[in-house]
Amino acid sequence: GPKVLQIPSHQIIDMGQMVTLNCDPVSNHLYFYWYKQILGQQMEFLVNFYNGKVMEKSKLFKDQFSVERPDGSYFTLKIQPTALEDSAVYFCASSRLGTSQNTLYFGAGTRLSVL
Amino acid sequence: GDQVEQSPSALSLHEGTGSALRCNFTTTMRAVQWFRKNSRGSLINLFYLASGTKENGRLKSAFDSKERYSTLHIRDAQLEDSGTYFCAAEATSSGQKLVFGQGTILKVYL
Repeated sequence: GPKVLQIPSHQIIDMGQMVTLNCDPVSNHLYFYWYKQILGQQMEFLVNFYNGKVMEKSKLFKDQFSVERPDGSYFTLKIQPTALEDSAVYFCASSRLGTSQNTLYFGAGTRLSVL
Repeated sequence: GDQVEQSPSALSLHEGTGSALRCNFTTTMRAVQWFRKNSRGSLINLFYLASGTKENGRLKSAFDSKERYSTLHIRDAQLEDSGTYFCAAEATSSGQKLVFGQGTILKVYL
């Protein structure tokens, strides 16, 4: 089936540094999402993105977070600067239409460890 | 906020038997999706339902928006069905974000 690729699978950085998580969504999909899962907790919505803009974001999407998809390439989540509580697995997802009309396809996640 | 309560949290099935997973919602949901996380950590899509039931092989899912629940039935369980199963639903009032259940860890044994 359709695959969403996330690169890298694991990233370790020092607190205060910038990090960019990369997502290669399904090729004909138009909606893009980031979800965050802290160890032992449920996966939680961060942000969705359509037509070059953030459509919705949750309270977890702090000011230090930003997303973009320049020129139809990777859909990225940038955290600058990182904090210890940003340690989590970040899942990217994409869908052809909005979630009320179509299923989401998830990547395998990037485990971010902030030291 | 919108809540999804998934049960059971863990389930062991003898190969060839079946059972059901359930998600209860605290609010009206527009649609539900079911996923299985495989050993590599990837979320595999199982079902997307806006209403009614769907069946795919040994899996069957139902979604009742009015009664605020969804179920996933597994019959004739096989070893490869082992994994963590998640439901995720979208509230009618919450735009396009999915709220995930806590997951059910399924182990199928010989």
